[in-house]
Amino acid sequence: GDSVTQTEGQVALSEEDFLTIHCNYSASGYPTLFWYVQYPGEGPQLLFRASRDKEKGSSRGFEATYDKGTTSFHLRKASVQESDSAVYYCALIITGNTGKLIFGLGTTLQVQP
Amino acid sequence: EAAVTQSPRSKVAVTGGKVTLSCHQTNNHDYMYWYRQDTGHGLRLIHYSYVADSTEKGDIPDGYKASRPSQENFSLILELASLSQTAVYFCASSDLTLYEQYFGPGTRLTVL
Repeated sequence: GDSVTQTEGQVALSEEDFLTIHCNYSASGYPTLFWYVQYPGEGPQLLFRASRDKEKGSSRGFEATYDKGTTSFHLRKASVQESDSAVYYCALIITGNTGKLIFGLGTTLQVQP
Repeated sequence: EAAVTQSPRSKVAVTGGKVTLSCHQTNNHDYMYWYRQDTGHGLRLIHYSYVADSTEKGDIPDGYKASRPSQENFSLILELASLSQTAVYFCASSDLTLYEQYFGPGTRLTVL
């Protein structure tokens, strides 16, 4: 079945470090890919999406590029801040499906000042 | 102004009791979803609905019922609450045009 794999369960960085969170997917169709962010005590909120191969999504300094060849959508940020501490979820949806999002298990990012 | 609201935000229930979690959206979206979140499992889909008066099973529907009396409202019902249903529950809505889901703030349910 369709699935999303996030390699890192937890990431600990210092402010101004470079961030990479790896996301790989497996899908029977042509998925739309998402990154969601969840701050403590809140629901997940959309960071950005990408719908086709080589499309780059970006928001708030975060970015990821849809790579159909390697079935990846890795999240990157050049310089993290303490306020970026949150849980990050990679997700996919199959276009034309009933709107069912498939989430990865999430990556907890902790940024030290 | 919050577009997806949930009530209650927190609840303690007794094993075997009935629990109803409510969700209201003002996004004018057709699709609504219920997820549960547990450490180590991420977000898992329980039930969803794409039209009023109709619900569909998600990936983990056992022990849960859902009700969609109107486009704006979607409830999750635990007829006989169990310890294993202690979790945080999130409601979401989407319009399928952009496939983007908008989540509520969550309900923390503790079953004792």
